[in-house]
Amino acid sequence: EAQVTQNPRYLITVTGKKLTVTCSQNMNHEYMSWYRQDPGLGLRQIYYSMNVEVTDKGDVPEGYKVSRKEKRNFPLILESPSPNQTSLYFCASGGQAATYEQYFGPGTRLTVT
Amino acid sequence: AQRVTQPEKLLSVFKGAPVELKCNYSYSGSPELFWYVQYSRQRLQLLLRHISRESIKGFTADLNKGETSFHLKKPFAQEEDSAMYYCALSVRGSTLGRLYFGRGTQLTVWP
Repeated sequence: EAQVTQNPRYLITVTGKKLTVTCSQNMNHEYMSWYRQDPGLGLRQIYYSMNVEVTDKGDVPEGYKVSRKEKRNFPLILESPSPNQTSLYFCASGGQAATYEQYFGPGTRLTVT
Repeated sequence: AQRVTQPEKLLSVFKGAPVELKCNYSYSGSPELFWYVQYSRQRLQLLLRHISRESIKGFTADLNKGETSFHLKKPFAQEEDSAMYYCALSVRGSTLGRLYFGRGTQLTVWP
């Protein structure tokens, strides 16, 4: 089944404790992206990747890191999480064309205390 | 710069009433427009894209380049249409595939 998976789905952590949220897709998509969703602010892009070893900042990259060593994986790294990073995070993947649909993961609910 | 505006955060209608979710965009080139939907506690999924010119679940959207709009319409809303709707824009060029989202409109359809 074609899908985007994220782990963990729920995470509660403390300020400053490094964490990684994994994202994996099995559709051989070139494009992958991370978003955060906050009430009243909608979806905001954190980072995106056009292909392996090619990443770029989205609209709200501060406090986040990503890597794209393999085509299927695009982990999101929070080196020193802070409470303002409490949010719902979505990973997405899609083909490298303007008309292509993007497929979203189920989301990761992160709480930083 | 590309931008997508959804002027309504919240929209409520009664079952059977027509519904229109507004979306305006700014982009100097030729955009690709999409509507994504997120039902309660589910992941976002594509509802429709302008290039397909199709009707999904009774929804249609027409790209109006003169007004730079891509409003989503349904003549008779159903309770199961209650969801968060996002308008999104994709552009050709160096950022192929990148989607620019509006802030979303929460639609509630009352019985």
